[in-house]
Amino acid sequence: NAGVTQTPKFQVLKTGQSMTLQCAQDMNHEYMSWYRQDPGMGLRLIHYSVGAGITDQGEVPNGYNVSRSTTEDFPLRLLSAAPSQTSVYFCASRTGQYSYEQYFGPGTRLTVT
Amino acid sequence: AQSVAQPEDQVNVAEGNPLTVKCTYSVSGNPYLFWYVQYPNRGLQFLLKYITGDNLVKGSYGFEAEFNKSQTSFHLKKPSALVSDSALYFCAVRDIGKKTGANNLFFGTGTRLTVIP
Repeated sequence: NAGVTQTPKFQVLKTGQSMTLQCAQDMNHEYMSWYRQDPGMGLRLIHYSVGAGITDQGEVPNGYNVSRSTTEDFPLRLLSAAPSQTSVYFCASRTGQYSYEQYFGPGTRLTVT
Repeated sequence: AQSVAQPEDQVNVAEGNPLTVKCTYSVSGNPYLFWYVQYPNRGLQFLLKYITGDNLVKGSYGFEAEFNKSQTSFHLKKPSALVSDSALYFCAVRDIGKKTGANNLFFGTGTRLTVIP
């Protein structure tokens, strides 16, 4: 199993540009989440999904959209990039509601200039 | 609301010495507590969890954590540190949040552990 994969690994955007961060998992996990990691702030939840077709907002959802059309994929869209979105983004998945062992992808380092 | 605090940004320990990484929590109801580790340029990896039962929880790579309800703490420990234990450690708590079915995790700010040879 590849586990949780994320692309790209690095990305530089100009303010106002849009892009999609890709996330895929091959473990048939129901739950998937997106986090951002910033120095001194730990990980903050952006959006999550409890299954295909179901998504909800986390702690810091503004400026991001998600969709979950399949169990495997959970892309994160930046609508109009801002410098405040410069961060490292992690996708994670877990089996289900009562499974707390999350599997994280390797991360995407995004810089917005 | 649920929260966790990691009071130390940085912990340094000599190789072979015992290590402790501190975590305190604030929750309503029974706490579900977790430790994750992040090695350089990698995603987080699950180490251990406390949900119920024995207050001393054993996890991966020789780590253990002690749940202390009276002190609302969940400190991570290892009897003998290795240089390869150098990493960023995150404490986390189940976030009941607005929808009780979601069971998302709320992470602390992290503690960087450096084991000195």
